Amino acid sequence: ETGVTQTPRHLVMGMTNKKSLKCEQHLGHNAMYWYKQSAKKPLELMFVYSLEERVENNSVPSRFSPECPNSSHLFLHLHTLQPEDSALYLCASSQEQTYEQYFGPGTRLTVT
Amino acid sequence: KQEVTQIPAALSVPEGENLVLNCSFTDSAIYNLQWFRQDPGKGLTSLLLIQSSQREQTSGRLNASLDKSSGRSTLYIAASQPGDSATYLCAVLGPPRQLTFGSGTQLTVLP
Repeated sequence: ETGVTQTPRHLVMGMTNKKSLKCEQHLGHNAMYWYKQSAKKPLELMFVYSLEERVENNSVPSRFSPECPNSSHLFLHLHTLQPEDSALYLCASSQEQTYEQYFGPGTRLTVT
Repeated sequence: KQEVTQIPAALSVPEGENLVLNCSFTDSAIYNLQWFRQDPGKGLTSLLLIQSSQREQTSGRLNASLDKSSGRSTLYIAASQPGDSATYLCAVLGPPRQLTFGSGTQLTVLP
């Protein structure tokens, strides 16, 4: 595998479910990001991890919980989501935070 | 708070035409500016990155310019092809080291 991969690519979950999104980067980068892309809205940065430490948390509801166990892996744990959380969730990575960001293909999440 | 605007929101051109996409940003204190391409339902593909000290970058038929003082960037696509049809996103990286995205320009190149 090369670049940034995300699993699953599609996820449908009920409001009471718990699920996790996974991101893996094979680029040797040390910063990873979660973004949310809703219909008709610009991409929104959710979380930033640099050297495995969370450095940004943009007022994201606590029902979203990130985890970065090492520099190659990033998770987004989901619980008790709302229908308005349905969106495309994109992971990205970069070498340091001021360098070019590379994106994964995204996970299309639908909350029913 | 940084705001990024892209004009037009949608553009339809015949194949072979040269075209320009526009991006403007409100805060000129940026580290760099990136142009991305997004196909429907897919992730983002980085096209060009311009550092704040640079004026332009070129890759194949694409040329991006940056005028930091006026808060503007353009993406020039030469000899457009149907395969260029996608949404083009502009994003600026500024303090505190966050990418701020525009809403994108949806480009359709007609055969």
